[in-house]
This record gives sequence, C-alpha cells and structure tokens, in this order.
Amino acid sequence: GAVVSQHPSWVICKSGTSVKIECRSLDFQATTMFWYRQFPKQSLMLMATSNEGSKATYEQGVEKDKFLINHASLTLSTLTVTSAHPEDSSFYICSARDQGGTAYEQYFGPGTRLTVT
Amino acid sequence: AQSVSQHNHHVILSEAASLELGCNYSYGGTVNLFWYVQYPGQHLQLLLKYFSGDPLVKGIKGFEAEFIKSKFSFNLRKPSVQWSDTAEYFCAVKKSSGTYKYIFGTGTRLKVLA
Repeated sequence: GAVVSQHPSWVICKSGTSVKIECRSLDFQATTMFWYRQFPKQSLMLMATSNEGSKATYEQGVEKDKFLINHASLTLSTLTVTSAHPEDSSFYICSARDQGGTAYEQYFGPGTRLTVT
Repeated sequence: AQSVSQHNHHVILSEAASLELGCNYSYGGTVNLFWYVQYPGQHLQLLLKYFSGDPLVKGIKGFEAEFIKSKFSFNLRKPSVQWSDTAEYFCAVKKSSGTYKYIFGTGTRLKVLA
C-alpha cells in the first residue's frame, strides 16, 4: 500500500528557533500533500494544502509566514515552523494524495511531535 | 461552512459488545466519506470509505458503515468489539468534486474493557 513517512518523528527545540519537518511519499507520486495539526485529545485541523511546484494554500487563521511550506518534488513536502513558541507545540501530521489513484484518497504519515521549550 | 459532527466523544464498552459511532456532516452536495482509526501512538489508518454505490460499506477488522443520505450520516458499526479496538476513531468528509480537502470530525475515543 501507499506509504507516507515523516521526519523527524519527534523534535524538541528552544523558543525562537526554526524547525523543519519532512513529509515523503515513498512509493507513489503526490502532486498534493496536506499538513494538519492535532492538539491533544482533539481532531485534525487542516493547516494548508501543499502543491508541487506552486505556492501552498493556507487555511483561514494559519500564518503563512510562520508555517512555511515547500513542495519541491513529487515525493517531498516540508513544513518549517519559524520562530517557534511554546504554543506551537503540537502533533503535526502530513498526508499525500496519490495522483495515480482513482479515488482521491489521502495517505497519512505517522506524525511529528514538536515540543517548544 | 462544511462541518462534521461526532456526537460520542468517549465510549466505553466491554468485549463482545456491539459498537455504533455516529457521524453527521453538514454539506448538502455529493460527498466522499471516510472512517479512520488511530491506535495509541500510531498514525491514522483507513478503516473504510464510501464513494458511491452500495451505501453499506464494509471495511477492515470487521467494521462497517452505512451512508444514509437523507440523514447526512455515516455511522460506524462493529457487531462485537475486541480489546484491541481500543483507539480513537475519526470520521472525515470530502466534497466529491472541486477539492481534495478532508474535513475531520472531533473524534471518538473508544475504550474496550477486557
């Protein structure tokens, strides 16, 4: 089946620093990837849609200058949390759409737990 | 705005009990529907999906869901739960055209007592 990986699986950083999270589709090409944020005991909130070769589309209320998204290839999207603060601590999950698939299904990565101290 | 409601936030069942988790959505057009499961410490896994055809959908691990268009519902069922079904369950909805975005429900945390 389609596999999506994320790296790192967890990261601790100091307030004010930037952190990059990678999302890779391992066995399929993904023109579209999605970044979600999940707070403890809450649902997944879509942050942005990452489009290969073009700018990401951000959901209302998500700061595009804070959460930088780059989708430079058909298998890799990155999310950079800039000038991180403790309130950015969360579980970040990416998903990818198989452009060769027939049902517009998304495949989810294992998530990255970010803790900002 | 499109929304997805899961009314049961926490459910506790004994093994062998039957399970039904509710999912209702607000969008009036044609939709694609999904149920995902997230086991403790693991990533989201697809249980089942509905795109068209038979409204009764069978998924993995003995789960099934029924799409009732008139009620805007897509409830998840399992006739006999096991301790290993302890997990969080998310319903998700996507408009069938015009977007790839999923809207997730708030999730239902299921605990099955051995």
